[in-house]
Amino acid sequence: EAGVVQSPRYKIIEKKQPVAFWCNPISGHNTLYWYRQNLGQGPELLIRYENEEAVDDSQLPKDRFSAERLKGVDSTLKIQPAELGDSAVYLCASSFTQGTFFGQGTRLTVV
Amino acid sequence: GQNIDQPTEMTATEGAIVQINCTYQTSGFNGLFWYQQHAGEAPTFLSYNVLDGLEEKGRFSSFLSRSKGYSYLLLKELQMKDSASYLCAAMDSNYQLIWGAGTKLIIKP
Repeated sequence: EAGVVQSPRYKIIEKKQPVAFWCNPISGHNTLYWYRQNLGQGPELLIRYENEEAVDDSQLPKDRFSAERLKGVDSTLKIQPAELGDSAVYLCASSFTQGTFFGQGTRLTVV
Repeated sequence: GQNIDQPTEMTATEGAIVQINCTYQTSGFNGLFWYQQHAGEAPTFLSYNVLDGLEEKGRFSSFLSRSKGYSYLLLKELQMKDSASYLCAAMDSNYQLIWGAGTKLIIKP
């Protein structure tokens, strides 16, 4: 069974540029999460989807971040414009009943 | 507020046993998770406890006491490849995971 797939694995952009990340969750998993993780810290939730509905986006910086999950499957996370402080690993995860399974993450470096 | 506490770093010797503790405070409780994360990689699921007691999986065991808001991850027969960060996460009444900052485990020969 394929796990959570994220793309790209690495991205380097200049500040003020836009960037987008893509996630394909495990088949059948209705819940999808986007997390941001800085070095030496635990994952920080950005947004949680139940099927197509964003049920928790309270931590998403909505002035520059947006996300969508079309047809309740794949999801994209966008940052526009990116700032230096956005450099981090962006993790996508999905869950069904017990256990949350993570993708490999996208390491974003903003220069 | 909701909070997870775990030690920042621990050191242990290859072949030995180490216990990583975690205390939590959440609004409601729907289980306690442990994840392993190697440097530069995503977290991988290790264990899930929702009832009190010890769950054993090979060299790894996880314990939960709901009345004390306490869990630990026990690693036996430590191997060098066990060097990683171990993340504790509690699921609240909204089924949201509250994450600790992780415990960096250093294994010495």
